[in-house]
Amino acid sequence: GQQLNQSPQSMFIQEGEDVSMNCTSSSIFNTWLWYKQDPGEGPVLLIALYKAGELTSNGRLTAQFGITRKDSFLNISASIPSDVGIYFCAGTFTGANSKLTFGKGITLSVRP
Amino acid sequence: GAVVSQHPSRVICKSGTSVKIECRSLDFQATTMFWYRQFPKQSLMLMATSNEGSKATYEQGVEKDKFLINHASLTLSTLTVTSAHPEDSSFYICSARFLRSGPIEKLFFGSGTQLSVL
Repeated sequence: GQQLNQSPQSMFIQEGEDVSMNCTSSSIFNTWLWYKQDPGEGPVLLIALYKAGELTSNGRLTAQFGITRKDSFLNISASIPSDVGIYFCAGTFTGANSKLTFGKGITLSVRP
Repeated sequence: GAVVSQHPSRVICKSGTSVKIECRSLDFQATTMFWYRQFPKQSLMLMATSNEGSKATYEQGVEKDKFLINHASLTLSTLTVTSAHPEDSSFYICSARFLRSGPIEKLFFGSGTQLSVL
């Protein structure tokens, strides 16, 4: 089946630093999504991408849909302590009952 | 505020008992709801997709007699873990979609239920 790869499993950065996370897939998707999950909570959508090559920003977050449609990256600039959490990429196809395939997630720690 | 309410947030039960988890869409009618399972430090694994008024569609490897899903109304889906065992202990998350073919931004997640089976 489809698999999304996210690595490393954990990242540690200093407050104020930028961080980039990558997500690759064994097959193509026509929609890529990035979610953040806080401990004991459900995921919250950060950015949705719909076209290959698309670059989208949401505040300090920027994400891009890879041209091959098999990868995406998320950048967080000027990190702050509340950026701590687990970041998941997810791929899907638009349409009825379309399902999300999630990556394993990257746990981000931000040192003050 | 939260648009999908999941209850309870945490439940501890004895082995062999059944546990029901509710997922409600608060501000919209959800034609489709999804149930996920998440182990510590792992990804969300889709268990089943339920459409209002019809039988749920289970993912491969998920026992439908073990995990009963009911989507009787446009605002409520329930997951019942029957005869729970310690290996069923996990974080269960639901999500609700505004329209069956609606934009993916209209897919909202509940806050999850931590099930611990003793």
